[in-house]
Amino acid sequence: RKEVEQDPGPFNVPEGATVAFNCTYSNSASQSFFWYRQDCRKEPKLLMSVYSSGNEDGRFTAQLNRASQYISLLIRDSKLSDSATYLCVAPQMGGGADGLTFGKGTHLIIQP
Amino acid sequence: DGGITQSPKYLFRKEGQNVTLSCEQNLNHDAMYWYRQDPGQGLRLIYYSQIVNDFQKGDIAEGYSVSREKKESFPLTVTSAQKNPTAFYLCASSIVAGGYEQYFGPGTRLTVT
Repeated sequence: RKEVEQDPGPFNVPEGATVAFNCTYSNSASQSFFWYRQDCRKEPKLLMSVYSSGNEDGRFTAQLNRASQYISLLIRDSKLSDSATYLCVAPQMGGGADGLTFGKGTHLIIQP
Repeated sequence: DGGITQSPKYLFRKEGQNVTLSCEQNLNHDAMYWYRQDPGQGLRLIYYSQIVNDFQKGDIAEGYSVSREKKESFPLTVTSAQKNPTAFYLCASSIVAGGYEQYFGPGTRLTVT
């Protein structure tokens, strides 16, 4: 049983376009969600936290749909530097102290 | 400058040798974690620690051991019993255990031949 599922991509998107990808989760009791960005051969870095219906930070918007149990990440006016893998993260099933479950990531390639 | 450090960045070992990966944080976080990442795979939890002198097995603890003698430090030993030790190892911390943001160190890439 997969707790966090993402489309692995790759998503090939022209520079300046808007791109969105979704992530589904299993734990209906989850209260908090996160999007991380991971560059090739680097550590994941926190991009956004989502605690209610959504969050916006500049060109990035995360939205939470609790009824359908998915969260989305929208990137507007995409830049070449946005090319990375985006990891969707939700709390572990059962809310245990072991923390978070990471999706396998969606690979995004912004093309000039 | 607060953060998490891991050393070394690259590590090469011969099969059959134990190796210890370092993880230090100065964020004053109570909880610390070790993950393993293989190519094309998600992060898999090896061990975690909620507080000093306490740690718990994660999903893939076999062949690994940890200690948490100080709040700042959570070293991971990859033993010879680990069948496929070559991987990217990531250490993380969070303010407390549970569903809170985790912050990662730069990782150690271990190659065992």
